[in-house]
Amino acid sequence: GAGVSQSPSNKVTEKGKDVELRCDPISGHTALYWYRQSLGQGLEFLIYFQGNSAPDKSGLPSDRFSAERTGGSVSTLTIQRTQQEDSAVYLCASSPRAGLEAFFGQGTRLTVV
Amino acid sequence: GESVGLHLPTLSVQEGDNSIINCAYSNSASDYFIWYKQESGKGPQFIIDIRSNMDKRQGQRVTVLLNKTVKHLSLQIAATQPGDSAVYFCAENHFGNEKLTFGTGTRLTIIP
Repeated sequence: GAGVSQSPSNKVTEKGKDVELRCDPISGHTALYWYRQSLGQGLEFLIYFQGNSAPDKSGLPSDRFSAERTGGSVSTLTIQRTQQEDSAVYLCASSPRAGLEAFFGQGTRLTVV
Repeated sequence: GESVGLHLPTLSVQEGDNSIINCAYSNSASDYFIWYKQESGKGPQFIIDIRSNMDKRQGQRVTVLLNKTVKHLSLQIAATQPGDSAVYFCAENHFGNEKLTFGTGTRLTIIP
């Protein structure tokens, strides 16, 4: 079956523009995570969705970042008024339920110029 | 605060030798641990996991050891191959806070 799919795979945007990153999780997975990875660094937690519960937004670095998950499936991470420090790989993962291993997509490489 | 960290940022191992990658965690409530492998340009790939009611778990060429007394986790890779070259991350979560917290990663390089 298909794994976690992210689009676009690469995105170059001008400073100040808004961007939307999309994640299609594995079908049936109730948990969905967004992480950010800067070059050569570890994974920084951003936000976590579990079923119909309120998302854990504790990792979002500023109010320019937001995410939603529609119908318990597809998720969109939106970054408003992008800054150069937002340049990173944004990784999405899904899990059958919270507390189990998460399966990652290939990521979206965002470059803000 | 909570943290999951690694002792060594880089590790070079001769092809065919065994490698050991270490991870320390600080949260005594952590009850689930995962090792991930990340190759260049790819997302992390699940390798093996272990729950806190176990001390050891084996997979294909990999073994994870958990020492809860000293809050230490290790990944052993037997007979390393060039394809094992990657960055390895440990991650943890615990009941009631099920987002995965990742360590900083260890880059493993296999020397031919």
